[in-house]
Amino acid sequence: DSGVTQTPKHLITATGQRVTLRCSPRSGDLSVYWYQQSLDQGLQFLIQYYNGEERAKGNILERFSAQQFPDLHSELNLSSLELGDSALYFCASSAERDTPNTGELFFGEGSRLTVL
Amino acid sequence: AQTVTQSQPEMSVQEAETVTLSCTYDTSESNYYLFWYKQPPSRQMILVIRQEAYKQQNATENRFSVNFQKAAKSFSLKISDSQLGDTAMYFCAFMKPPAAGNEKLTFGTGTRLTIIP
Repeated sequence: DSGVTQTPKHLITATGQRVTLRCSPRSGDLSVYWYQQSLDQGLQFLIQYYNGEERAKGNILERFSAQQFPDLHSELNLSSLELGDSALYFCASSAERDTPNTGELFFGEGSRLTVL
Repeated sequence: AQTVTQSQPEMSVQEAETVTLSCTYDTSESNYYLFWYKQPPSRQMILVIRQEAYKQQNATENRFSVNFQKAAKSFSLKISDSQLGDTAMYFCAFMKPPAAGNEKLTFGTGTRLTIIP
């Protein structure tokens, strides 16, 4: 158990709809990262938040947005969904407060999104 | 921008044998971290091993070891005495020097490893 919690684990929806994926990082971790993994592909970096602020942005579509709340949990919002958005969405956390940085990311189990 | 290349989409090996997965990367950084992550059928991403570029000694974790060739920008993973539980996708990943709040990983496309009983 990595300590990172993602909900929901599975989600099936229709094209054009909007969904929200939720991530609770490990206790004390300040950074949250979102990655997208399409079928049998590598993980593509979407966006990173650190202590509530956006820190880095990857290949994230304009239809997608994210935020990190004061309690450090994060949400990834996906709107106007298309068939190609079907994927496994991972959240990872790192940067535990007052702890030396080892570079290790801790991944949740992912949220599998299916768009029909 | 950094790139990570895994040229072996699939590999298979008999149980108890040794297998080596290849990874090359491209970067202009002099210091960085390299990782191998394992993704079994459960889809969970599991850290296998980590190498810091400024350390010349190759990292080892039990049956897992790496061959880090900095000049060649090569980072291969050797699995000794392979077990059925090693069946998984293996991803090589690159990270710039970790700083507070910046540990973005760049992943390769993965190698699907199957251990044959």
